[in-house]
Amino acid sequence: EAQVTQNPRYLITVTGKKLTVTCSQNMNHEYMSWYRQDPGLGLRQIYYSMNVEVTDKGDVPEGYKVSRKEKRNFPLILESPSPNQTSLYFCASSLGLAPRTGELFFGEGSRLTVL
Amino acid sequence: SQKIEQNSEALNIQEGKTATLTCNYTNYSPAYLQWYRQDPGRGPVFLLLIRENEKEKRKERLKVTFDTTLKQSLFHITASQPADSATYLCALDIVFGAGKSTFGDGTTLTVKP
Repeated sequence: EAQVTQNPRYLITVTGKKLTVTCSQNMNHEYMSWYRQDPGLGLRQIYYSMNVEVTDKGDVPEGYKVSRKEKRNFPLILESPSPNQTSLYFCASSLGLAPRTGELFFGEGSRLTVL
Repeated sequence: SQKIEQNSEALNIQEGKTATLTCNYTNYSPAYLQWYRQDPGRGPVFLLLIRENEKEKRKERLKVTFDTTLKQSLFHITASQPADSATYLCALDIVFGAGKSTFGDGTTLTVKP
């Protein structure tokens, strides 16, 4: 089954404790992206990757890191989480860059709480 | 500043009626626009994509229009059903293949039986 898998789905952590949210897709998609969703602010893009070893900042990259060493994986790293990073995080992927392949496939989300 | 606005946070309609959701944008020149459906606690699911040079797109009971002069997209669900109840998001991409999609806050649609 074609899917984007995120882990963990739920996490409660404390300020400053490094964490990684993994994202994996099995569709051989070139493009992957991370979003956070907050009430009243909608979905905001954190980082995206056009292909392996190519990443770029979205609208809200502060406090986050990403890497794209393999095509299927795009982990989101919070080196020193803070309470304002409490949010619902979504990973998404799409086949390529042309508009006909611009459809985004989303994971189920990872709900992160930083105390 | 750039802004995407979706009409009212919530829309309530009766089953069988047509639901019309609005996505307005300012200070963008989007190359294409997408509509997604999101159910509570789930990730968004793609519905339709329309390019800047297209006026209208249809898929079963769904129809999207794109007016670059008015800077507006309308999303219609005809013969609405309670199962259509969800939050609907519009997303803009400014440049083909640039990779940066900007989403609106969404409109929550409730279809009452």
